[in-house]
Amino acid sequence: AQSVSQHNHHVILSEAASLELGCNYSYGGTVNLFWYVQYPGQHLQLLLKYFSGDPLVKGIKGFEAEFIKSKFSFNLRKPSVQWSDTAEYFCAVKPTTTSGTYKYIFGTGTRLKVLA
Amino acid sequence: SQTIHQWPATLVQPVGSPLSLECTVEGTSNPNLYWYRQAAGRGLQLLFYSVGIGQISSEVPQNLSASRPQDRQFILSSKKLLLSDSGFYLCAWSEVAGYNEQFFGPGTRLTVL
Repeated sequence: AQSVSQHNHHVILSEAASLELGCNYSYGGTVNLFWYVQYPGQHLQLLLKYFSGDPLVKGIKGFEAEFIKSKFSFNLRKPSVQWSDTAEYFCAVKPTTTSGTYKYIFGTGTRLKVLA
Repeated sequence: SQTIHQWPATLVQPVGSPLSLECTVEGTSNPNLYWYRQAAGRGLQLLFYSVGIGQISSEVPQNLSASRPQDRQFILSSKKLLLSDSGFYLCAWSEVAGYNEQFFGPGTRLTVL
């Protein structure tokens, strides 16, 4: 079965520290990849997405992610976190097939706390 | 621009009572619609999705059902709630064609007592 693994469930960092959140998926075909963020009390919103082309994608608020096809990974990075980055982060995968698919598979999420 | 609404925002219901959660989308036509349940540490579990009016796909056997009576309306229901139905329910939509992300509603916090 298709699945998405986020290995870090809770991460605590000090401001200005660098961030990398891991995301691995299990699916042998072509995928669309997403990172979503949920700030406290707010909707889930899209941070960035990858469909094709340059495997290094840049999103909002200084986040970026790199798609490494050989490792089935799509890790999220930020060089210097801020207190306002405290949130829960979700990786999601949408497998694509010739017949199309409508399902998005989400990881279990990583709760990031940034200490001021 | 597109907007997604969910109501109610919070709901407390007794065991055995019925449930109806509503989701509506504005500013788009023929969207794909989704119901998820979000549990702490467990991510988002897809419950139902719909690619058109009256077309519902169920992902997980459970005490819930979904309906899509209109193009931009998606309803999550139960005839008799169980304690295990408590949770945070999210509605989402995506465009039908092309590369697309999902857009999420504000969610409904359901507590079954």
